[in-house]
Order: sequence, then C-alpha cells, then structure tokens
Amino acid sequence: EDKVVQSPLSLVVHEGDTVTLNCSYEVTNFRSLLWYKQEKKAPTFLFMLTSSGIEKKSGRLSSILDKKELFSILNITATQTGDSAVYLCAVLGNEKLTFGTGTRLTIIP
Amino acid sequence: NAGVMQNPRHLVRRRGQEARLRCSPMKGHSHVYWYRQLPEEGLKFMVYLQKENIIDESGMPKERFSAEFPKEGPSILRIQQVVRGDSAAYFCASSPQGNYEQYFGPGTRLTVT
Repeated sequence: EDKVVQSPLSLVVHEGDTVTLNCSYEVTNFRSLLWYKQEKKAPTFLFMLTSSGIEKKSGRLSSILDKKELFSILNITATQTGDSAVYLCAVLGNEKLTFGTGTRLTIIP
Repeated sequence: NAGVMQNPRHLVRRRGQEARLRCSPMKGHSHVYWYRQLPEEGLKFMVYLQKENIIDESGMPKERFSAEFPKEGPSILRIQQVVRGDSAAYFCASSPQGNYEQYFGPGTRLTVT
C-alpha cells in the first residue's frame, strides 16, 4: 500500500525563524511529489517535484526531491504569521494523490 | 478563470438521509478527483473520474457511495443512507490531464446528526 509520512507532526517557531518540513514516501509507479498548504479551507498548491536534486523556489519557500532516498523537504525562511497552516505532502502515482497527515506549523509573533 | 467550485459548502443530514455533493472543475479541466478528510486525519483518495467515465474508484466504500461526472454539468458524489461516520470534509480536485497537478475546491463539510 502506498504510504507518505511527514515529520514533525507539529512545529511551533517564532516569526523570522527558518523551518524545514520532511516528507518520506513509499509509492508504486511514482510520478511526482506535491506540496500543499491548508488553512481552514482547500489545500492550496505550492510545488510539484518530478526530478531529483532540482530545487523549486517561490519567494521564501523552496523544496527539493531525492528520488533515491525517497524523501522531500520543504523549507520556509524568515517565517511570518501568515505561514501558520498545515502543510501537506502528497505523492502522485497511478493518477491519484496519496497524502501524508500533514505538519501543523504555528508561527508565534 | 474561476477555480474549482463545490456546493454546498456545509450540509447537515440526519442518519438515513441522502447527501449529494457537487463539484464543478476548473475551466478546461476534464479530470475530477474526490477526497475525504476525516477529523484529525489526512486526505484520502476516493474516486477519479473523467467525463462519463469512472477511471478509479478504489477508495470508495463499496456500499452507499457513488459518483458520476456526466457529459454536461458538475460531478456528483452521492451518499445514501448516511451514518455518523460519514461526517467529514469532502474535497474535489481537478486537473487538465492525468498525472498532473491537482487543484482543490473549498470542500463540503458534511455533518450527520
């Protein structure tokens, strides 16, 4: 059965800190890995990673995939209170997404 | 370009009633996916549809649940004879093709009393 594990489950940091969120996976027919941000509504798409070692960047967020070790990290630098959310990692295989349970990030002002 | 639309946003049903959840994909998207999120749990895949076809329903409970995506109109997730355990947030996602990034709607929060 496909499996996605995220760590830590929750994280509380002060505004301005840098955080690293982890995602490991075991999926048959791996196509790509996706990161989403979920506040109290729909998951919002952040990144889709298909190739190993190529960093994707969007403002203060960046992510990279290691297909050999089967994991990805999401980095957020200079965190702001608006970054508080649940960050979901999902792996696309056989045309469906398998999600981890998420990392709940809380930024303290 | 409007995003994925779902309605209703909140739905309350008594045990034994039927629930119908609707999803209109983004313009130009012909692939629709339904996911369920139980309280304090991750999103779980239920079903994947293209127009008039169910491609993968491996995540759907065998009884009481059905889904369709007709040639015209939104995709419908139907839950018959709802039970308390069906209370959850149901999210729809769409993509322009298979194995592509999926965009999510705002979800329907179903409460069974």
